[in-house]
Amino acid sequence: QVQLQESGPGLVKPSQTLSLTCTVSGGSISSGGYYWSWIRQHPGKGLEWIGYIYYSGSTYYNPSLKSRVTISVDTSKNQFSLKLSSVTAADTAVYYCARCGDYGEYYFDYWGQGTLVTVSS
Amino acid sequence: EIVLTQSPGTLSLSPGERATLSCRASQSVSSSYLAWYQQKPGQAPRLLIYGASSRATGIPDRFSGSGSGTDFTLTISRLEPEDFAVYYCQQYGSSPETFGQGTKLEIK
Repeated sequence: QVQLQESGPGLVKPSQTLSLTCTVSGGSISSGGYYWSWIRQHPGKGLEWIGYIYYSGSTYYNPSLKSRVTISVDTSKNQFSLKLSSVTAADTAVYYCARCGDYGEYYFDYWGQGTLVTVSS
Repeated sequence: EIVLTQSPGTLSLSPGERATLSCRASQSVSSSYLAWYQQKPGQAPRLLIYGASSRATGIPDRFSGSGSGTDFTLTISRLEPEDFAVYYCQQYGSSPETFGQGTKLEIK
């Protein structure tokens, strides 16, 4: 059973960089066949796909956030990470990491529990 | 990007009743690449349906999905108490992947 767990600061100051890590257990990122994703949910709102990464390092980002987002992978630790720069209060959200398939099957079958990140001074 | 509009915003029904949730896309979703998720308060979304009509592992057969092109439906045949939650559709046929705004299914 694949499990994902987000970690990182729950409070970030405006204009700084939000950094989160997702640790994967029960499966190896290096085995391929899946993309590893970040999704966020603003308080009381819907879901927004941020981007995903393949174990090889190939990345795909939502154009609405592309200029501020970097997703990276560390296969030796079975982790992948999110950096979102120049944050504002509008980036306050619950951030989820999730797994989606390859070959067009880009739905999210495993999710982390989510971590709330608040942007405030 | 493809905009998904879910209706109704809130659906009030009683246990044992049938629920019909709609998801309409602003343009055709290729290959019926549409998924449905259930989210309960304080929890991550849970995959219910992918490929418009295929149930995910462990999902009861009272959940079914249908549709193609721009119109998709999630049906819950007989509501159980644990089914009251928020439901989201997601298209993955065109990047960026997008979600609907959700339908809240509440107990009447």
